[in-house]
Amino acid sequence: EDQVTQSPEALRLQEGESSSLNCSYTVSGLRGLFWYRQDPGKGPEFLFTLYSAGEEKEKERLKATLTKKESFLHITAPKPEDSATYLCAVQARGNTGKLIFGQGTTLQVKP
Amino acid sequence: DAGVIQSPRHEVTEMGQEVTLRCKPISGHDYLFWYRQTMMRGLELLIYFNNNVPIDDSGMPEDRFSAKMPNASFSTLKIQPSEPRDSAVYFCASSPLVSRGETQYFGPGTRLLVL
Repeated sequence: EDQVTQSPEALRLQEGESSSLNCSYTVSGLRGLFWYRQDPGKGPEFLFTLYSAGEEKEKERLKATLTKKESFLHITAPKPEDSATYLCAVQARGNTGKLIFGQGTTLQVKP
Repeated sequence: DAGVIQSPRHEVTEMGQEVTLRCKPISGHDYLFWYRQTMMRGLELLIYFNNNVPIDDSGMPEDRFSAKMPNASFSTLKIQPSEPRDSAVYFCASSPLVSRGETQYFGPGTRLLVL
């Protein structure tokens, strides 16, 4: 069964304190791995798509990496506005369109 | 583009009543998805359409739930009769193509409370 597990469930950082969020996945052939950001009361907002092991993508203070079993979202020198829930999702080959989401990591960055 | 539009944004109803949620996808997107988000189960796919045709409804919890897409710019998710356990945030998302993991763009969601 295709599955996504994110850790930790919650993370508190001081402003400027870098860290990483983990997304472990089990899928029968990966078509794509997605990272989304969700603010309270809003829909998920797309951040990155990764397709193959070794791939990396960056956006401002965020960097996403992918291996054959997991993905990391690295946050460098975070700011309070980076506080949000970060969701990871996978799409398997043969499951056209279907995304399987993890439970998310809620990040709080204190000034 | 205005993005995915959902209405209503909030809905409070009593058990047994019919609830209809509405979605307008991004123009030109061929795929439309309905998700439900709860604290216990996270974000779950209910059903998705390709070119207005339902492709996978295996996530629809039971016969009380139904979804339609009469044209490329409109879809509804209906719950009849509603129950308190249906209380959740319902999201609609659309995507231009899913041959290689195309991005799904989410709407703001409808917060449903069934009393």
